[in-house]
Amino acid sequence: GAGVSQSPRYKVAKRGQDVALRCDPISGHVSLFWYQQALGQGPEFLTYFQNEAQLDKSGLPSDRFFAERPEGSVSTLKIQRTQQEDSAVYLCASSLASTRPYEQYFGPGTRLTVT
Amino acid sequence: GQQVMQIPQYQHVQEGEDFTTYCNSSTTLSNIQWYKQRPGGHPVFLIQLVKSGEVKKQKRLTFQFGEAKKNSSLHITATQTTDVGTYFCAGNRDDKIIFGKGTRLHILP
Repeated sequence: GAGVSQSPRYKVAKRGQDVALRCDPISGHVSLFWYQQALGQGPEFLTYFQNEAQLDKSGLPSDRFFAERPEGSVSTLKIQRTQQEDSAVYLCASSLASTRPYEQYFGPGTRLTVT
Repeated sequence: GQQVMQIPQYQHVQEGEDFTTYCNSSTTLSNIQWYKQRPGGHPVFLIQLVKSGEVKKQKRLTFQFGEAKKNSSLHITATQTTDVGTYFCAGNRDDKIIFGKGTRLHILP
């Protein structure tokens, strides 16, 4: 079956531009997570949705980062006024579970480069 | 804040040798998960451990969860070139999932 998909796979943005990253989770998966992965590091938690409700956004690094999942399926991570330190791979993961433990299925990620 | 430490950061082994990576948390975890990420790829779920002292095996891979639910290990017996990649542990406390920095495994032919 179809896995988690993300688009675009690669994004180059000039400093100060806004970007929007899309995640299509596995159909029927209740939970959706966004992570930021810097080169050579583990994924860093950004935010978590259960259906359309954003239950935890404590990992978002600044108010320039915003995530939504309005219909409880597709999610968008938006970064406003991008900075060079935002350059990273942004991973989306979904899980069938609505409570822990969450067996997560990751998408291929979007590699964001801010120049 | 909660941290999940993973050691070693890198490991080079000869093909056929064993490999172990260790994961330690500063706080008690409700469960722990292990993921594998191939170079250029994304993390792929391997297993999750929930019970104190739990041991699970997948072919040549053995996973353990400590009695205090603060540490875990992944052991690979007789490594093969297909085992190359970075192995991450991820601890679950409340609804937050904290990943370790990973152990990068290189296999020497």
